[in-house]
Amino acid sequence: GENVEQHPSTLSVQEGDSAVIKCTYSDSASNYFPWYKQELGKRPQLIIDIRSNVGEKKDQRIAVTLNKTAKHFSLHITETQPEDSAVYFCAATHNDYKLSFGAGTTVTVRA
Amino acid sequence: SQTIHQWPATLVQPVGSPLSLECTVEGTSNPNLYWYRQAAGRGLQLLFYSVGIGQISSEVPQNLSASRPQDRQFILSSKKLLLSDSGFYLCAWSLGTEAFFGQGTRLTVV
Repeated sequence: GENVEQHPSTLSVQEGDSAVIKCTYSDSASNYFPWYKQELGKRPQLIIDIRSNVGEKKDQRIAVTLNKTAKHFSLHITETQPEDSAVYFCAATHNDYKLSFGAGTTVTVRA
Repeated sequence: SQTIHQWPATLVQPVGSPLSLECTVEGTSNPNLYWYRQAAGRGLQLLFYSVGIGQISSEVPQNLSASRPQDRQFILSSKKLLLSDSGFYLCAWSLGTEAFFGQGTRLTVV
């Protein structure tokens, strides 16, 4: 089955700086890669996703890149704000059937 | 619009007691349904998933079981809880892409 590894496990950044989270996956057939944000005590919610037919996708301050050859994808948050502090999860799936999640990255934005 | 209901929100149960967590989805048909567990400070571990009524796939051997008696109802159960069953349990549904999570149940086994 799919194995998703996520790094780093914790990330502390100064407000206004960028944050980058990286994930690798094992199943070359995976074709859908979502990112979820989980605020303290709340449910995970989708913030951005990318399919295997594109290499990059951007939504305001958030962008995701995908390298299918190397089987890794990354989340980039620019101009970080305190409300970006949360746990972020990457995930991968083949044909949208079963999402396999990374272990999560706890992001802390320092004011 | 689609909504997902999961209850209870918190639960404290003694070791050896049974467990039943329920999840229902509204506003969609034939969704894929999932149960995840999130241990403190850790990621989302897929426990069970279902692509249809009565169809349950288990990802990891454990003390838990799942059932899908109706199209939009997914139940997580245990006959005898262990201390290691403590955690944050999340139900989710999907029609193919984005997964939508329930509010979660924080289970503490004492």
